[in-house]
Amino acid sequence: LAKTTQPISMDSYEGQEVNITCSHNNIATNDYITWYQQFPSQGPRFIIQGYKTKVTNEVASLFIPADRKSSTLSLPRVSLSDTAVYYCLVGDIQAGTALIFGKGTTLSVSS
Amino acid sequence: DTAVSQTPKYLVTQMGNDKSIKCEQNLGHDTMYWYKQDSKKFLKIMFSYNNKELIINETVPNRFSPKSPDKAHLNLHINSLELGDSAVYFCASSHTPGLRTYEQYFGPGTRLTVT
Repeated sequence: LAKTTQPISMDSYEGQEVNITCSHNNIATNDYITWYQQFPSQGPRFIIQGYKTKVTNEVASLFIPADRKSSTLSLPRVSLSDTAVYYCLVGDIQAGTALIFGKGTTLSVSS
Repeated sequence: DTAVSQTPKYLVTQMGNDKSIKCEQNLGHDTMYWYKQDSKKFLKIMFSYNNKELIINETVPNRFSPKSPDKAHLNLHINSLELGDSAVYFCASSHTPGLRTYEQYFGPGTRLTVT
């Protein structure tokens, strides 16, 4: 299983762009990269998923370099409500190994 | 509202007791999961059911027994509760992995406290 490494915590101010990088050096060919967000006392919420290059939705962008050994979740113009824990998951969707949550990155946004 | 719901939200009980947590989803998903999140916020998969069939059974004490009466429900029964079982338990659901974007929808969690 691909192990992921993320920063434990990050700080930002409102209006800034935040980039959270996840390292997954031993990612396998069939592995996808998925990011979740979790607020205190709530279950995780799906943010974005990708396999290679760039994926963008209304919430975030996911950048994946050609070697796929890392990925970057980009949150444009964060607000106080983006303060949460962000998890990077890497795994084979069909094999059911895309279910390993790491320790996540605690993002704190200040005004 | 369409969602994943869990009952109860809070559960306080004594060591040695048996308790159950219920989960229901009305999203039309055919795969459901149970996760455990400990005090260090580490979220770990416990079980997964696809169309009422157990497909993932991680290293979990056999005091934990999931039951899926139908695709929309996945209950978790815990026998002989121990202090170390105190945690937040999350239920989640998704479409069958591989058919489309693999997105899990999580319930609000059940905070279990064993005293």
